[in-house]
Amino acid sequence: GDSVTQMEGPVTLSEEAFLTINCTYTATGYPSLFWYVQYPGEGLQLLLKATKADDKGSNKGFEATYRKETTSFHLEKGSVQVSDSAVYFCALSPPGGTSYGKLTFGQGTILTVHP
Amino acid sequence: GAVVSQHPSWVICKSGTSVKIECRSLDFQATTMFWYRQFPKQSLMLMATSNEGSKATYEQGVEKDKFLINHASLTLSTLTVTSAHPEDSSFYICSAGGGRTGELFFGEGSRLTVL
Repeated sequence: GDSVTQMEGPVTLSEEAFLTINCTYTATGYPSLFWYVQYPGEGLQLLLKATKADDKGSNKGFEATYRKETTSFHLEKGSVQVSDSAVYFCALSPPGGTSYGKLTFGQGTILTVHP
Repeated sequence: GAVVSQHPSWVICKSGTSVKIECRSLDFQATTMFWYRQFPKQSLMLMATSNEGSKATYEQGVEKDKFLINHASLTLSTLTVTSAHPEDSSFYICSAGGGRTGELFFGEGSRLTVL
């Protein structure tokens, strides 16, 4: 079956540091790939997504590129802020519009950014 | 943005009792809702998909008689954990799809502790 593997956390960085959170997946065909973020006390929010190979999703300074050859979707940000402290989830959904809600999640990575 | 709200956010109950968790889409009609379960330091696992006015579709390994899901209206889905036991203690998260863009939105989660 489909699976998503994220780098283990927690990740602790100083403000303005470079962030990478690795995500690799196993799936048949061409799934859609997502990064969700969960701030303390809130629900998961879609951060960015990519629906086909070589697509780059970007939002709020975060980027991730859909790499079919390495089955990866690593999350990056050039300069993190304290407000980026949250839990980040990588996820995939199988190809096909009717399955858009059937997400397979990674285990989540806790990011803490210190001033 | 669209809001999905869960209630209660946390609940403690005695073994053998039943607990109901509500998931509401506050500003859009959700044609489909999903229920996930998250164990500590593990990823979210899809439990079931519910469509308004029809029976829920459960994922393999999820006991439908244990986890009763009702999606009686376009803005409300409920998850009832029947005859709860300590092993049912977990974080339950709902998501709702629909609205203008069809995007998936997540509730803030409900933590269940069964004593």
